[in-house]
Amino acid sequence: AQSVTQLDSHVSVSEGTPVLLRCNYSSSYSPSLFWYVQHPNKGLQLLLKYTSAATLVKGINGFEAEFKKSETSFHLTKPSAHMSDAAEYFCVVSYNQAGTALIFGKGTTLSVSS
Amino acid sequence: DSGVTQTPKHLITATGQRVTLRCSPRSGDLSVYWYQQSLDQGLQFLIQYYNGEERAKGNILERFSAQQFPDLHSELNLSSLELGDSALYFCASSFQGPPRSGELFFGEGSRLTVL
Repeated sequence: AQSVTQLDSHVSVSEGTPVLLRCNYSSSYSPSLFWYVQHPNKGLQLLLKYTSAATLVKGINGFEAEFKKSETSFHLTKPSAHMSDAAEYFCVVSYNQAGTALIFGKGTTLSVSS
Repeated sequence: DSGVTQTPKHLITATGQRVTLRCSPRSGDLSVYWYQQSLDQGLQFLIQYYNGEERAKGNILERFSAQQFPDLHSELNLSSLELGDSALYFCASSFQGPPRSGELFFGEGSRLTVL
């Protein structure tokens, strides 16, 4: 069965410091993995995706994630947080082998203080 | 703006009632997905349609049904509403059902409040 676990429900950082949002997944086949971001009162937006190409994936707004098969992890990082990064972040794994439906983690709320 | 339009944005109704949520996908997208977001359950996949046909089904209750019309817009019907159905319902679309594109474009959601 496919599942995804976001290890932190809330992460707080100061502006200009690194961001690390942790995600572990479980999949019975080679998964597709994604990070989505949801700003308050908005829909979700794709940050980045891994689909069995390069293990280090670069996304929008300076975010990147590394696929580590041995650790079944797909952690999201950013070298320097900005106030506008404050949002809810979802790690996502494909629901079926066709990749046509997705399972979302429970989300990590990122707070950024000045 | 994702290009996905959902109506209504807000809806307040009473227990036992029935409501219909509407979604217009991005121009050219063939797949439509419905998700329910609540504080206790998080974001739950309900159902997916591809070019008018049901493609995948998630945690959708029997009281809920959906369809995708020939013009590719979709409707989610929620009946015999209960207090616990109060949630934000998202529609998302993607170009293809074929595998692994993964990128979904989300609307801004329809917030349903059941009193």
